[in-house]
Amino acid sequence: GAGVSQSPSNKVTEKGKDVELRCDPISGHTALYWYRQSLGQGLEFLIYFQGNSAPDKSGLPSDRFSAERTGGSVSTLTIQRTQQEDSAVYLCASSFEPHRVSGELFFGEGSRLTVL
Amino acid sequence: AQSVTQLGSHVSVSEGALVLLRCNYSSSVPPYLFWYVQYPNQGLQLLLKYTTGATLVKGINGFEAEFKKSETSFHLTKPSAHMSDAAEYFCAVMTSGGYNKLIFGAGTRLAVHP
Repeated sequence: GAGVSQSPSNKVTEKGKDVELRCDPISGHTALYWYRQSLGQGLEFLIYFQGNSAPDKSGLPSDRFSAERTGGSVSTLTIQRTQQEDSAVYLCASSFEPHRVSGELFFGEGSRLTVL
Repeated sequence: AQSVTQLGSHVSVSEGALVLLRCNYSSSVPPYLFWYVQYPNQGLQLLLKYTTGATLVKGINGFEAEFKKSETSFHLTKPSAHMSDAAEYFCAVMTSGGYNKLIFGAGTRLAVHP
């Protein structure tokens, strides 16, 4: 597609369950980011993938959170044993950054996660 | 480490009035600065950016921002608000040279009333 695609758009789960959120970046984009948007908290950086380099995981809030990017394209964010405080909108963004970070990110519409 | 502070989580203006959204940053090295906008039910999109050169930068839809190093600010302005400007606006900073990720502020929700 032409833009960043995220699925599901909405996910309601019970506390303690695992969830997977998917991101399809723009074709040819080398960099992929995950951010979390909580009410009143702005955008919280979670993880950054750039080409074949080791990902920057410095923003992951706990070891219940993990992400992978297969074949340099699609990414999956996994949250294990979900807690109510994990409820938020999870945003994926991609960018063409063959040499260095550009800051010009293209965002998907997000996956809204609600943990009951 | 970089950080961004946006003063005012909600701003309300009348249609036709000046829009001023405030952003202050903290960076130990010269920053690159950005404003992103999120319209209702849409993803974020880049509004404008400052990297080097002219400190007054112009973006889409009549918005502009001025980098003031002495004030560590990058406030966003528009001379005359339009109803369609109602959205959430995010200021962001990154290390110049492109060696670090983009850090966002908490956002300011702009309401425009008739």
